[in-house]
Amino acid sequence: QKEVEQDPGPLSVPEGAIVSLNCTYSNSAFQYFMWYRQYSRKGPELLMYTYSSGNKEDGRFTAQVDKSSKYISLFIRDSQPSDSATYLCAFQRSYNTDKLIFGTGTRLQVFP
Amino acid sequence: DAMVIQNPRYQVTQFGKPVTLSCSQTLNHNVMYWYQQKSSQAPKLLFHYYDKDFNNEADTPDNFQSRRPNTSFCFLDIRSPGLGDAAMYLCATSSVTDTQYFGPGTRLTVL
Repeated sequence: QKEVEQDPGPLSVPEGAIVSLNCTYSNSAFQYFMWYRQYSRKGPELLMYTYSSGNKEDGRFTAQVDKSSKYISLFIRDSQPSDSATYLCAFQRSYNTDKLIFGTGTRLQVFP
Repeated sequence: DAMVIQNPRYQVTQFGKPVTLSCSQTLNHNVMYWYQQKSSQAPKLLFHYYDKDFNNEADTPDNFQSRRPNTSFCFLDIRSPGLGDAAMYLCATSSVTDTQYFGPGTRLTVL
């Protein structure tokens, strides 16, 4: 079983749609959960991070963590063409020096 | 704005010709990382520095080396680049109270 699984997509949605991106993980030691957005030929940009089960909202983005099911999601409301990018989930046991374990990324295309 | 800066953004080298990639940060983070990301793949950690302490990943080839002369700067040296080393190289930084922030990356082409 892979440590992290993420649907690679591509996911194509119309502008204004609600997008749901998901990752599952198997390592119970993961304590920190991140979502990065990566535009083509750019570095990953931190979107959201959390360390507890539940929801965290930031503007149009909501990160959801379910530790009991080992499942995290990122919801994007009112999606925009500028949201077109690859979204990477990432996991960490602790902040201090621990490496990030990434999903393979989901490519999202929002068309006007 | 505090940030992670990588130079150059694009680097072309010849097979076997040594190349150095540069990373600097204004976040004053004590940890700096180098990742390799190939097309359509997740970033893969090569090594990291915790202050001056170097930590190599077990599967990082000897061809890859790193230097950190001070808190702000970190270099990635590829001693003899092969065609398989063509990739995006990402620098990231973190601290004990904060997760990792990435630079824009350097895209390496090996001819």
